[in-house]
Amino acid sequence: GNSVTQMEGPVTLSEEAFLTINCTYTATGYPSLFWYVQYPGEGLQLLLKATKADDKGSNKGFEATYRKETTSFHLEKGSVQVSDSAVYFCALSPNNAGNMLTFGGGTRLMVKP
Amino acid sequence: GAVVSQHPSRVICKSGTSVKIECRSLDFQATTMFWYRQFPKKSLMLMATSNEGSKATYEQGVEKDKFLINHASLTLSTLTVTSAHPEDSSFYICSARVGGAYNSPLHFGNGTRLTVT
Repeated sequence: GNSVTQMEGPVTLSEEAFLTINCTYTATGYPSLFWYVQYPGEGLQLLLKATKADDKGSNKGFEATYRKETTSFHLEKGSVQVSDSAVYFCALSPNNAGNMLTFGGGTRLMVKP
Repeated sequence: GAVVSQHPSRVICKSGTSVKIECRSLDFQATTMFWYRQFPKKSLMLMATSNEGSKATYEQGVEKDKFLINHASLTLSTLTVTSAHPEDSSFYICSARVGGAYNSPLHFGNGTRLTVT
């Protein structure tokens, strides 16, 4: 079946540090890939997405590239801010599964000033 | 942008009582909504797919008689936790898709923190 694996957190960084959160997936076909962010006490918000191999999703300084050869979709940001502290979820939507989303376990990011 | 409103945001109830959670799409119609449950320090677990005008589709292991889902209109789905017990305490989140493409992102409500005492 489909699955998403994320690095376990928490990830603790100082402000302006470089961020990488690893995400790898297992799926049949050609899934679409997403990163969602959950701020404390809130629901998930879509951060970025990529729908085919080599696509790069980007938003708010975050980037992730769909790497089919390594089945990865790592999240990166060049300079994190305290306001980026949240839980980040990698997810995939299978090609033939309609509205289904499979989530990774989430990675908590803590940015210290 | 598309907004999904979930109510209440927090609820505390006594063991044995029932709790209803509402999920509304405010500026779009959603023929399908999804209900998730989030356990502490774990990912979201899809509980069921709510279909307007028909029965919900439950994931394996989710008790349909305990988690009643009703999707009576194109903008409202409700989840009722019946005869709640402390182990039902969790964070429940609904979502809805805008557009019909399989790769269209979901829009999520802010979640409901249920505490059963």
